[in-house]
Amino acid sequence: AAGVIQSPRHLIKEKRETATLKCYPIPRHDTVYWYQQGPGQDPQFLISFYEKMQSDKGSIPDRFSAQQFSDYHSELNMSSLELGDSALYFCASSPSGGNTEAFFGQGTRLTVV
Amino acid sequence: GQNIDQPTEMTATEGAIVQINCTYQTSGFNGLFWYQQHAGEAPTFLSYNVLDGLEEKGRFSSFLSRSKGYSYLLLKELQMKDSASYLCAVRGGYDYKLSFGAGTTVTVRA
Repeated sequence: AAGVIQSPRHLIKEKRETATLKCYPIPRHDTVYWYQQGPGQDPQFLISFYEKMQSDKGSIPDRFSAQQFSDYHSELNMSSLELGDSALYFCASSPSGGNTEAFFGQGTRLTVV
Repeated sequence: GQNIDQPTEMTATEGAIVQINCTYQTSGFNGLFWYQQHAGEAPTFLSYNVLDGLEEKGRFSSFLSRSKGYSYLLLKELQMKDSASYLCAVRGGYDYKLSFGAGTTVTVRA
């Protein structure tokens, strides 16, 4: 079965650079979530989209922005990267407006040096 | 906001049973999820409870009591590959995001 696809899987950036993470949800899933997970920590909610509109916002820095496109894929744009942004970034998708199970992609490991 | 508590660590023997408890206090409730996560990998969906009672899926079962704000994940016939972090997550009533507990690291010993 198709799963949530994230790209790239690994990314190394220098401080103050910009990064773009992409997420392709499971077909027919209309809701996308972004999470950030630091070492030894639980996933922290960043932002979510339903039918291409932002549906909820968590602890997402102003340096980050995201959007969901007409094909339901989503991109997380991160600017002025800081060392503390190094983490695993997960995307999850869910059908029916998010009113059921959410499935996670394999994540993008971002390292800021 | 959401307040989700689960034990930090648990250790059990191969073939045994382990129960991971999760208590929560949320502004509204729209489902409780359990995920398994191996280090450096994505959380893998295990179960979803929205009504009170027990949901069984093979060796894994999950229980929910909404009035008590309580859930547990039961892992039976433990295998070495079950060594992982188990995350309890709650979906609030007014939005659809999942809020996670800190996770319970389960170590299965031979």
